[in-house]
Amino acid sequence: QSVLTQPPSVSGAPGQRVTISCTGSSSNIGAGYDVHWYQQLPGTAPKLLIYGNSNRPSGVPDRFSGSKSGTSASLAITGLQAEDEADYYCQSYDNSLSGSVFGGGTKLTVL
Amino acid sequence: QVQLVGSGGGVVQPGRSLRLSCVVSGFTFSNYAMHWVRQAPGKGLEWVAVISYDGSNKYYADSVKGRFTISRDNSKNTLYLQMNSLRAEDTALYYCAKDTTIFGVASGFDYWGQGTLVTVSS
Repeated sequence: QSVLTQPPSVSGAPGQRVTISCTGSSSNIGAGYDVHWYQQLPGTAPKLLIYGNSNRPSGVPDRFSGSKSGTSASLAITGLQAEDEADYYCQSYDNSLSGSVFGGGTKLTVL
Repeated sequence: QVQLVGSGGGVVQPGRSLRLSCVVSGFTFSNYAMHWVRQAPGKGLEWVAVISYDGSNKYYADSVKGRFTISRDNSKNTLYLQMNSLRAEDTALYYCAKDTTIFGVASGFDYWGQGTLVTVSS
């Protein structure tokens, strides 16, 4: 069981909008620690997609956005494209574990 | 450009040891914390360990505490993971990852290596 909870899968048609949730607790997201999001395309290393809850690294399209509220965070992807099909992971820090924690990952399928 | 190249993986018997290395280039290694993250076959990401920019602070996941040791040599731009008393459940692709800060607490990982595969099996 992962410390951060994500839905195992989401799907959407090209052009649609999807969101991926990441639910934590008072020792991680709820404690005010930032949430970061990664995209992992099949057979490749993860890539930083969103950092500090809502910031995009250079080169990441503005179709990707992040938000955080309370003990949860969300990743939104608008204008879905076939190339967005990948696994997505949220990550934060947990002060009871004294370390970083990841969500279990969400597989995005573009229909 | 930034590069992280991991090595040292392989097949090892349960109870034995292995040392992973990660050679970096393209940024000032001594200015950033570094992490190891692993991914078991078909599974999600699991954070393993972090070391601060100067090696003075190290933290581990409970699953590896007391068995794994993270270290770095800033003169060689190299990160290490010494893995002892290996178990079948340690089988995974091990990624080294660069933190965005010097201490590696509550921050993201902006660059990742390609991963090195460790298989623990008799």
